[in-house]
Amino acid sequence: AQKITQTQPGMFVQEKEAVTLDCTYDTSDPSYGLFWYKQPSSGEMIFLIYQGSYDQQNATEGRYSLNFQKARKSANLVISASQLGDSAMYFCAMREGQGGGFKTIFGAGTRLFVKA
Amino acid sequence: DGGITQSPKYLFRKEGQNVTLSCEQNLNHDAMYWYRQDPGQGLRLIYYSQIVNDFQKGDIAEGYSVSREKKESFPLTVTSAQKNPTAFYLCASSISLTGGYGYTFGSGTRLTVV
Repeated sequence: AQKITQTQPGMFVQEKEAVTLDCTYDTSDPSYGLFWYKQPSSGEMIFLIYQGSYDQQNATEGRYSLNFQKARKSANLVISASQLGDSAMYFCAMREGQGGGFKTIFGAGTRLFVKA
Repeated sequence: DGGITQSPKYLFRKEGQNVTLSCEQNLNHDAMYWYRQDPGQGLRLIYYSQIVNDFQKGDIAEGYSVSREKKESFPLTVTSAQKNPTAFYLCASSISLTGGYGYTFGSGTRLTVV
């Protein structure tokens, strides 16, 4: 069964606008972590933001914020004021707790295109 | 600058050959990981290691082997038992296996079977 689901294969956004990339997850472990990574065309993965399952507030890092809705098991990434350099693949990931061996699993990704 | 170095960047393997992908980090991170990425897909975990001389199988370990003799190094061997090895391989490290520490990734090795 898919543990991380990213339902948007591709997204378009106008430069300077905000965009939300969807991510839902599935786990029975009460302790887990959620991550977002960016993969430009060069191939290297870049860590963007982290949300712990017990964190009360949504995580923010500069123009990135994570909209964490625990009951719905969703962890959407919001990018504000999009820039041309934001065009890339974006991956949602979940680190399972001890029951899952602390493994981190990744979704299939969403390709974001920022239009000038 | 601290980081992860993967080599080679491109690797070609003949049928039946074993090949080893190098991964070295100077970040003093305890945990290291190997992922495989196929075109248009996410990353799948091959092996991971929490400390020296210890490693665990990931979701697709068959046909691969690793060693962790030094903290800085986590080489991956793709054996002839791996039937479809053509893929992009990414090595990563983190301060620890747990906690809110994102991974630092290398620039990857693209392996092609010829």
